[in-house]
Amino acid sequence: AQSVTQLGSHVSVSEGALVLLRCNYSSSVPPYLFWYVQYPNQGLQLLLKYTSAATLVKGINGFEAEFKKSETSFHLTKPSAHMSDAAEYFCAVCDGGATNKLIFGTGTLLAVQP
Amino acid sequence: GAGVSQSPSNKVTEKGKDVELRCDPISGHTALYWYRQSLGQGLEFLIYFQGNSAPDKSGLPSDRFSAERTGGSVSTLTIQRTQQEDSAVYLCASSLGVAGLVDTQYFGPGTRLTVL
Repeated sequence: AQSVTQLGSHVSVSEGALVLLRCNYSSSVPPYLFWYVQYPNQGLQLLLKYTSAATLVKGINGFEAEFKKSETSFHLTKPSAHMSDAAEYFCAVCDGGATNKLIFGTGTLLAVQP
Repeated sequence: GAGVSQSPSNKVTEKGKDVELRCDPISGHTALYWYRQSLGQGLEFLIYFQGNSAPDKSGLPSDRFSAERTGGSVSTLTIQRTQQEDSAVYLCASSLGVAGLVDTQYFGPGTRLTVL
């Protein structure tokens, strides 16, 4: 069965610093992977997705993620954090079956310090 | 509408009461999903609709939970005899639902349910 693990439930960075949020997956089939962001009291917004095309995926708001099969990882990065990036980030894997339901990690809460 | 909408945004109820949560998906999206977000369990899948059919109900936690979808559009999630452990944010998502394609799920803002 597919699963994802997010290391670090809380990450704090300074404004302008590199953002690195970690996600490792487990999948018996080629995975489809997603990063979603959730701002306070809002729903989930798609940042980017990997669907077996390019391994480096660029998303919205300057975020990108690299699919590394050898490391079973799909870490999210942004070169320079902005205060508006403070939110909770979820990595998810699609189950690949007929339903395409998403299986989420436990989330990483990103704080950005001025 | 432009996005997925859910109502109510907040619902406070007493233990033992029934509640109905509504989801309006993006027009033309045939696939609809319900998820639950709670402190103890994180984000978990509840049920999947393709059109008006629900081929995957595997995430419904008990027989107190049911859902339906009518006209290939609006969906209602019903929780009977609510319990305190049902307190959570219930999220709805929709996608195009094209067979063989892993398309993007678009989420609504959620309904925050509090059971007293």
